[in-house]
Amino acid sequence: NAGVTQTPKFQVLKTGQSMTLQCAQDMNHNSMYWYRQDPGMGLRLIYYSASEGTTDKGEVPNGYNVSRLNKREFSLRLESAAPSQTSVYFCASSDRGQETQYFGPGTRLLVL
Amino acid sequence: AQSVTQPDIHITVSEGASLELRCNYSYGATPYLFWYVQSPGQGLQLLLKYFSGDTLVQGIKGFEAEFKRSQSSFNLRKPSVHWSDAAEYFCAVGPASSASKIIFGSGTRLSIRP
Repeated sequence: NAGVTQTPKFQVLKTGQSMTLQCAQDMNHNSMYWYRQDPGMGLRLIYYSASEGTTDKGEVPNGYNVSRLNKREFSLRLESAAPSQTSVYFCASSDRGQETQYFGPGTRLLVL
Repeated sequence: AQSVTQPDIHITVSEGASLELRCNYSYGATPYLFWYVQSPGQGLQLLLKYFSGDTLVQGIKGFEAEFKRSQSSFNLRKPSVHWSDAAEYFCAVGPASSASKIIFGSGTRLSIRP
């Protein structure tokens, strides 16, 4: 039982490049989330998916897109990376109607 | 507006000493409150949560937290810290059954002095 997994662990991009962050969970959870963590700012929600086939914007969605590929997988895409998107990205999941979230180990992204 | 404040950015305590991490919140309805811990290079792990009932809640790793409605606080405590408790701690507040609306504090980094 791996819980929530994320790939890659670390990535360096140049401004304007694109990339997709992958997330998968094996807990049969309905809801999945993408957060970014910046120093002194805690976690901020980028997008979430309450169930397979649905996605909604969070607090800071600009510059990102998401895909809920199936119940297990939720990807985050940066179409044209900017230095302001340098951050640590966390994926999380939770069961329907449950507040407790389970987090992946994070992806550290550096945009030059 | 809903908010969570962790007043202490960084705290250092000696191993074996007691610990209290502060959390204050502003929330319109009855809040659901959480404490998460993030070890270096890891994701967040739930320590404990409060929904209702007894205002003193027990969590994993020997932590506890007390909900004080009159003070809008949910402080985390541990009677005797271990070197392995060095981590970043996040307080969070949100509504029932809607994790997408949970707000996280900015975190308190805990260092342990040998």
